Amino acid sequence: DAGVTQSPTHLIKTRGQQVTLRCSPKSGHDTVSWYQQALGQGPQFIFQYYEEEERQRGNFPDRFSGHQFPNYSSELNVNALLLGDSALYLCASSLATSGDTQYFGPGTRLTVL
Amino acid sequence: EDQVTQSPEALRLQEGESSSLNCSYTVSGLRGLFWYRQDPGKGPEFLFTLYSAGEEKEKERLKATLTKKESFLHITAPKPEDSATYLCAVQAADYKLSFGAGTTVTVRA
Repeated sequence: DAGVTQSPTHLIKTRGQQVTLRCSPKSGHDTVSWYQQALGQGPQFIFQYYEEEERQRGNFPDRFSGHQFPNYSSELNVNALLLGDSALYLCASSLATSGDTQYFGPGTRLTVL
Repeated sequence: EDQVTQSPEALRLQEGESSSLNCSYTVSGLRGLFWYRQDPGKGPEFLFTLYSAGEEKEKERLKATLTKKESFLHITAPKPEDSATYLCAVQAADYKLSFGAGTTVTVRA
């Protein structure tokens, strides 16, 4: 049973650049959520996608955008990178009709220099 | 705004020394409370979901309980492999998941 996968594992960018992170949900799941986790803190909710639409959004600027594809995979895009965007970016998948328990991927470590 | 507070921030235990972690929360319309385990540099691993006050769930040496204002994660006779950061999260009626900062547990042999 394939779990949630994310790519790439690590990424180094410079300020002002743009980045795209990718996520494939657990088999059978239709909902994808993205989180940002700074060192020593809990994950912060960025947004959630269901049926290719953004269903809910946390307190993140418009520089953070996303997309969900017909196969339920998802991308997170961050424009005009800031030093403060350095973090572990986590993707979680769930099944909308099954209690909303979210299963997380291994994350992408983004470093902005 | 939904809030989740975990205590203590860190817990150092001797192998076999049982203890409890606390998660207090305020949320508008609780859909569920979740416990996760996270190892350094990795994604959170799902442990339990609790939906209503009075509910309890167990898995090996871990037991989670829920009241209307807080949840406890009890670790019975811990082993060194139980060392990790334990995260608590609440899901509100709008599907948003809010996490606490976690409790880092270190179990010494």
